[in-house]
Amino acid sequence: QQQVKQSPQSLIVQKGGISIINCAYENTAFDYFPWYQQFPGKGPALLIAIRPDVSEKKEGRFTISFNKSAKQFSLHIMDSQPGDSATYFCAASYPGADSWGKLQFGAGTQVVVTP
Amino acid sequence: GAVVSQHPSWVICKSGTSVKIECRSLDFQATTMFWYRQFPKQSLMLMATSNEGSKATYEQGVEKDKFLINHASLTLSTLTVTSAHPEDSSFYICSARGSANEQYFGPGTRLTVT
Repeated sequence: QQQVKQSPQSLIVQKGGISIINCAYENTAFDYFPWYQQFPGKGPALLIAIRPDVSEKKEGRFTISFNKSAKQFSLHIMDSQPGDSATYFCAASYPGADSWGKLQFGAGTQVVVTP
Repeated sequence: GAVVSQHPSWVICKSGTSVKIECRSLDFQATTMFWYRQFPKQSLMLMATSNEGSKATYEQGVEKDKFLINHASLTLSTLTVTSAHPEDSSFYICSARGSANEQYFGPGTRLTVT
C-alpha cells in the first residue's frame, strides 16, 4: 500500500512551460517531504525538500507548495527545459533519529519537455 | 556534494548463484545506510536499514535470509543476494546518511539474473 500518492503518471510540457506534479499523503506523522529527480539508469538526486511548518519553498526554478490541512504537496518546475526530462519522485519520511532517511516514495512522474 | 558509490554498476549472474553489491560513502561517515529496490518503470521500495555494527532491519515482505546486509564500517555496506532468481532482477540503490542527517543516494546497481 503506497503511503504517498503521486500524479500524474506522465507529463509532456513545452520548453519554457511549467511542470506541476502533485502528491498526497495520509499519515500526518510524516515530517519531511523531499522531491527527487532520476534519469534512466541513475540513482535519484535530491532536488528540493520541505517540512510541514513551511507552506512554500523555492530553489531556482523549482518550488514546493505544501498544504498541511489538505495533506498535499506539489512540485512546480518553472521555465521547463529539455534537460529537465526525467522521472520525478515525491517522498515522505517520519520524524525521529531511527526513521530519518527511511523514505516512502510516490509512484513517480515521467516528465518530457519538448523543444 | 558528498558522494556515494556502488559497485558493480551492473552485474549478470546465473540463477542459483549469489551476488554481492557494495555501497560506499566516499567522503563522509555513514551512520546508517538504506537499501532500495526499483523494478523497471516503478518506484523505489525500501528493503532494509543498516546501522554500522548492528543487524539490519528489514521491511515487511523482504526476506532477510535472501538479502544479506552487512554494515561493517562507517563507509561500507554490502547487500548479498543469495540464490538469485530471475525475479530478483532489478535496480538496487543504496543511500547513506551522515551524522548531520544528510542523505545521499548511490548511482544504483543493475542486477540481471539469467
